[in-house]
Amino acid sequence: DAMVIQNPRYQVTQFGKPVTLSCSQTLNHNVMYWYQQKSSQAPKLLFHYYDKDFNNEADTPDNFQSRRPNTSFCFLDIRSPGLGDAAMYLCATSTRGGRETQYFGPGTRLLVL
Amino acid sequence: TQLLEQSPQFLSIQEGENLTVYCNSSSVFSSLQWYRQEPGEGPVLLVTVVTGGEVKKLKRLTFQFGDARKDSSLHITAAQPGDTGLYLCAGPYTGANSKLTFGKGITLSVRP
Repeated sequence: DAMVIQNPRYQVTQFGKPVTLSCSQTLNHNVMYWYQQKSSQAPKLLFHYYDKDFNNEADTPDNFQSRRPNTSFCFLDIRSPGLGDAAMYLCATSTRGGRETQYFGPGTRLLVL
Repeated sequence: TQLLEQSPQFLSIQEGENLTVYCNSSSVFSSLQWYRQEPGEGPVLLVTVVTGGEVKKLKRLTFQFGDARKDSSLHITAAQPGDTGLYLCAGPYTGANSKLTFGKGITLSVRP
């Protein structure tokens, strides 16, 4: 089945130790998103790629970076995780965007010790 | 800023009860989407409403888009424990077609 896959599902890292989360999709969608979601809160968009065009949200900290080497894969790099970065990180895809459905992966739960 | 406010924030009910929850905004949206998110999983789309006044049914779930396209409601008939989850409404940003704005969600717990 076509889907959005996130690895790992759970990630434990140490304060200040770089970590990379990965997302892959078999839907061949041209838009890919990274969201941060804390407990009982709405997903907060960090950035998205429209094809190869990177779109950063104004309030996304510089600590968060992203790479999209090809259509199928997208990575979230957290350069120096802080305790406040512990959250669920969701990857999503869509065609064209806007009204189109966003298809979410299962998320990666990040714990920072 | 286009904000979506959802209410109530938390709801705990007994199996078999009916409930209605809301998604409200002061802004007009071209469409609204409802997602359900189960614990430890990503959100899954339930429905998209597009036309003012539109009503869509998904088994025991009934979704309505307000006539002015500023609000939406979700009614669940005879709730079941499997309906437990976080219900999110979302709408596209005006002028930024690739992005959605999300409400804070409604946490629903249905007790057996």
